[in-house]
This record gives sequence, C-alpha cells and structure tokens, in this order.
Amino acid sequence: ETGVTQTPRHLVMGMTNKKSLKCEQHLGHNAMYWYKQSAKKPLELMFVYSLEERVENNSVPSRFSPECPNSSHLFLHLHTLQPEDSALYLCASSQMIVAVGSGNTIYFGEGSWLTVV
Amino acid sequence: AQTVTQSQPEMSVQEAETVTLSCTYDTSENNYYLFWYKQPPSRQMILVIRQEAYKQQNATENRFSVNFQKAAKSFSLKISDSQLGDTAMYFCAFTFRTGANNLFFGTGTRLTVIP
Repeated sequence: ETGVTQTPRHLVMGMTNKKSLKCEQHLGHNAMYWYKQSAKKPLELMFVYSLEERVENNSVPSRFSPECPNSSHLFLHLHTLQPEDSALYLCASSQMIVAVGSGNTIYFGEGSWLTVV
Repeated sequence: AQTVTQSQPEMSVQEAETVTLSCTYDTSENNYYLFWYKQPPSRQMILVIRQEAYKQQNATENRFSVNFQKAAKSFSLKISDSQLGDTAMYFCAFTFRTGANNLFFGTGTRLTVIP
C-alpha cells in the first residue's frame, strides 16, 4: 500500500489520441504534484496543486492539462503528444505545499509509464 | 539556479559491504533541506534520509547515513551492511526551507548489490 496510487501503470498512445493519467492519494494530504522522469535527466516538476488550486505550472506545454477535482485526486489529461513526451510520470503528495522539507515529506506513487508512438 | 549533481551514474557493492554515493549541489540560499530518495524497480520514490542544512550533525537512519559538508556543498550517502534489497536508483534532492514547492533532483545513481 503506497498511499499514492497511479493508473494506468503503462500507457501506449498515438500522437492524435486523448488519454488521461489518474492519481489518488489516501494520506489526507493537501498538496499534489506531477513530475516527469525521463532517462538520464533529473525529475522535472510539472504541476503543483494546493487545496485543489494550481499553484505552479513549470512552463509545461498545453498538450498536458492537469485537473484536481478534490484534494485526493489528480489527473493529467494528454492530447496530441509527441514521441519526446514518452517518460515515466510520477504523482506525489504532501501534507502542505510550503516548507516541503520541514518534516513535510513528499510521497510518490509508482508512476505511469507513457509511450507515445 | 539550483542544481544537484550526481557524478556516479552506476555503482556496485558486494553484499554486506559499505558503499558511498556522491552528491553535490549548488545554491545561493542558506536555509534548505537535502534528501536521498530510493527508486526500486517498482518505480516508487521512497524517502531514505533527510538533512536540515542548519544542523551540523549528520543524519542517520539505521544503515543509512550522510556526510554533509555545507561549505563544500556536498551531501554523500553511506550505506552500511549493503543488502540485496538496496539495489535501486538513488536520487539526491534539494529544497528550500520556506516557500518551497519543488524538489530539485539529481540524475541518479544506479546501485547494484552483488550477492
């Protein structure tokens, strides 16, 4: 039981498809995150939500569209992706959004492997 | 800009031996936190250990300990009595103490524990 559950674990989609990644946290946290993990690159923060409001969008292309309907669920809607978008997408949550380091641990899910063909 | 550098893409260690993973970082801030995360084949990132920059004492968690050299901006992870379950990718990460929305990660070190 990870506390942060991501579905699907693997997704293959064409460049014209529309799909969504889902994340659910069972930890009662108030902040949720999407990270992108590409081979041989540092994890990249994509989006941050605090209490269902987006507070950070790190210059992510509009073909990635996040949605946070409540504090337990986070989606990443995907549309007209490019092959270079193939990566592991990690969802995470934390109790608060500020002072991440101060005893406010970020918990990660197991990720969704996305392959764009 | 904040950067985290892990200069060892891959390392291996014999079971029961000790291994040290290197990490350096660059920041102009004075108050921050440093972390080591483990990512096993399941891909879930798991927090291994945390260090507050304002604390001089090195953090320890069971078989895991760090060597934090603030002046050198170095934050290495020592794993003692290595076990097969320690085989994973290890990421060094950094965040500011306040107003932080982000963890800055290194590129990772793949550690293999050899039986």
